[in-house]
Amino acid sequence: QVQLVESGGGLVKPGGSLRLSCAASGFTFSDYYMSWIRQAPGKGLECVSYITSSSSYTNYADSLKGRFTISRDNAKNSLYLQMNSLRAEDTAVYYCARLLGSISAGGYYFDYWGQGTLVTVSS
Amino acid sequence: SYELTQPPSVSVSPGQTARITCSADALAKQYAYWYQQKPGQAPVLVIYKDTERPSGIPERFSGSSSGTTVTLTISGVQAEDEADYYCQSADSSGTLVFGGGTKVTVL
Repeated sequence: QVQLVESGGGLVKPGGSLRLSCAASGFTFSDYYMSWIRQAPGKGLECVSYITSSSSYTNYADSLKGRFTISRDNAKNSLYLQMNSLRAEDTAVYYCARLLGSISAGGYYFDYWGQGTLVTVSS
Repeated sequence: SYELTQPPSVSVSPGQTARITCSADALAKQYAYWYQQKPGQAPVLVIYKDTERPSGIPERFSGSSSGTTVTLTISGVQAEDEADYYCQSADSSGTLVFGGGTKVTVL
């Protein structure tokens, strides 16, 4: 069965950096687009970033202003999110999710989600 | 990017029907997708491409679309359906957007 397991969350000071990882299993990782979605405490969902299967294209939320970088290693079945210049407003649970669909088919959507990893940005 | 507008809350008695709307001009051209999220859990896809139901999702969950508004309908609501529900879509540039979420309370 499809499994996505996030790791790397924790407490970090404002201005610091953190790298999240997502280990995928139960499917052919290299065939799928992948994404990171976050949820601030008590708030809604926000798609932070997604990456195509070959890493040829990445997309980021406008709110990030270039501070985050998504990447993947298909040989290791792993997805990453490098987060720099962290701010208090980046505090959230970060989910890894598999992406399906295409623009020509009417849009993308998330069919499997991990359980999330909590990132807390505080001094 | 654009916004998907959902009502903040919907209340319904057990056995009744809950309807949650999601509106945006882009929905006239792009599909909408619906997720259920219970406290402390990851979201679960309940409807894709406006009206399709993934395997394992109960038949009481259905979706519909009319112009710029899509609707998630839960027929015969059960206590276990109490959760937050989010709609999601994409704009023409590929940016993925979620609605603000609707809290469904079973009275």
